[in-house]
Amino acid sequence: GNSVTQMEGPVTLSEEAFLTINCTYTATGYPSLFWYVQYPGEGLQLLLKATKADDKGSNKGFEATYRKETTSFHLEKGSVQVSDSAVYFCALSGHGSSNTGKLIFGQGTTLQVKP
Amino acid sequence: NAGVTQTPKFRILKIGQSMTLQCTQDMNHNYMYWYRQDPGMGLKLIYYSVGAGITDKGEVPNGYNVSRSTTEDFPLRLELAAPSQTSVYFCASSLPSNTGQYFGPGTRLTVT
Repeated sequence: GNSVTQMEGPVTLSEEAFLTINCTYTATGYPSLFWYVQYPGEGLQLLLKATKADDKGSNKGFEATYRKETTSFHLEKGSVQVSDSAVYFCALSGHGSSNTGKLIFGQGTTLQVKP
Repeated sequence: NAGVTQTPKFRILKIGQSMTLQCTQDMNHNYMYWYRQDPGMGLKLIYYSVGAGITDKGEVPNGYNVSRSTTEDFPLRLELAAPSQTSVYFCASSLPSNTGQYFGPGTRLTVT
C-alpha cells in the first residue's frame, strides 16, 4: 500500500542555517504530495503541494520538488528563522477517479531553530 | 470565514463513557475527515465522508462512529471509551480536487 517515510527528528539548527527534511514515498500511480506544518498547540496548515512529477511547490521560503525517479519530496529552506520551529509532515494523496482526497502522513519531523 | 471549528478543545473521559466530538466547516467543502494523532506519530485516518449521507472507514475506525447529515457538520462519536483512545483528534475538510485539506485546531482527549 501507499506509505510515506520522513527523516527522524528532532532537527536542531541555528538561525539562518539551511534546512533539508527528507521525505520519500511509496505509491501506485501518480499521487499528489504535500507538506504540512504544525505549530505548538495548533492544527496542521498546508505549507506547499505538488501534483505531478517535476512540479516544485513553494511557500514562505520553503520549497519541495516532486521527484518521481527517486520517489522523493524533500523540504528545503535556505535560511531558517526561530519562527519556523514546528513539526513538519509530509503526506500523499492518491490520484484518479476513485480518489477521495485521503491523506497518508509521514510520522512528522520536529524542527527547533535556536537564535 | 471561520474555516474548520472543533469542540471541545479538551476533554477527560472515564473508561466506558461516551462522547461526541463536534466538527463544523463553513467553506462548503464536500469532503470531510477525522484523524487521530498519537505522540511522535503521524496522523491516522479514522473516518471520512465525500458528501452528506456518505461515510466510509479509514485506517483505524474501531471504537468510533460518524454521521454526515449536512455538508457543514461531521461529528465523531466515541462509544465505550478506552485508554487506547487517548489522543488528539483533528477534523479536516477539502474540495474534491487535490488542493489540500484544511484542519481544525484539534480536540485533546484523555481516557482514564
